[in-house]
Amino acid sequence: EPEVTQTPSHQVTQMGQEVILRCVPISNHLYFYWYRQILGQKVEFLVSFYNNEISEKSEIFDDQFSVERPDGSNFTLKIRSTKLEDSAMYFCASSQGPTYGYTFGSGTRLTVV
Amino acid sequence: AQSVTQPDIHITVSEGASLELRCNYSYGATPYLFWYVQSPGQGLQLLLKYFSGDTLVQGIKGFEAEFKRSQSSFNLRKPSVHWSDAAEYFCAVVGGIQGAQKLVFGQGTRLTINP
Repeated sequence: EPEVTQTPSHQVTQMGQEVILRCVPISNHLYFYWYRQILGQKVEFLVSFYNNEISEKSEIFDDQFSVERPDGSNFTLKIRSTKLEDSAMYFCASSQGPTYGYTFGSGTRLTVV
Repeated sequence: AQSVTQPDIHITVSEGASLELRCNYSYGATPYLFWYVQSPGQGLQLLLKYFSGDTLVQGIKGFEAEFKRSQSSFNLRKPSVHWSDAAEYFCAVVGGIQGAQKLVFGQGTRLTINP
């Protein structure tokens, strides 16, 4: 069964550093998403992406965040200057459309120290 | 805007017992509803989804859910749980079927299985 692949599985970074979280969505999917889950809390929407542009972003997705689909296969989330409160599990998801459901990757655990 | 409430943060059941996890949604039109399961340290796996038609939906791993519009509910059930069902369960709603609709998740219910 096709999978969404996320790398790395775990990243530790110093506060103020930039991180890039990488995702390879399912190849025939059209819609791409990033979510985050702070430990013990619910899964929160960050951003959706379609046709090479952001469709929607949450209030969490401020100027320190950006997304890119640089080569037609990877989908990246960049956090420019990490803060302690950015520590969370970040999930990538892709979809052919809502009626088909959403496939999630296994997540990247980001720890900011 | 759509929202989801899972009233039970933590549920403990004995292996072999039946299970019902509650989910209530808020949305003005016909919702599109999902249940996901997350094992410790793992990603989110789709259990089942509802868009229209039969209000009783069958999913993987022996789970089912029933959509009740009058109660704004989409409760997840399993007749007999197994120790491997211990996980976090998330109910989610989508507000439409066009475009890059986002999933909105509930708080989650942690399921513990007693041997």
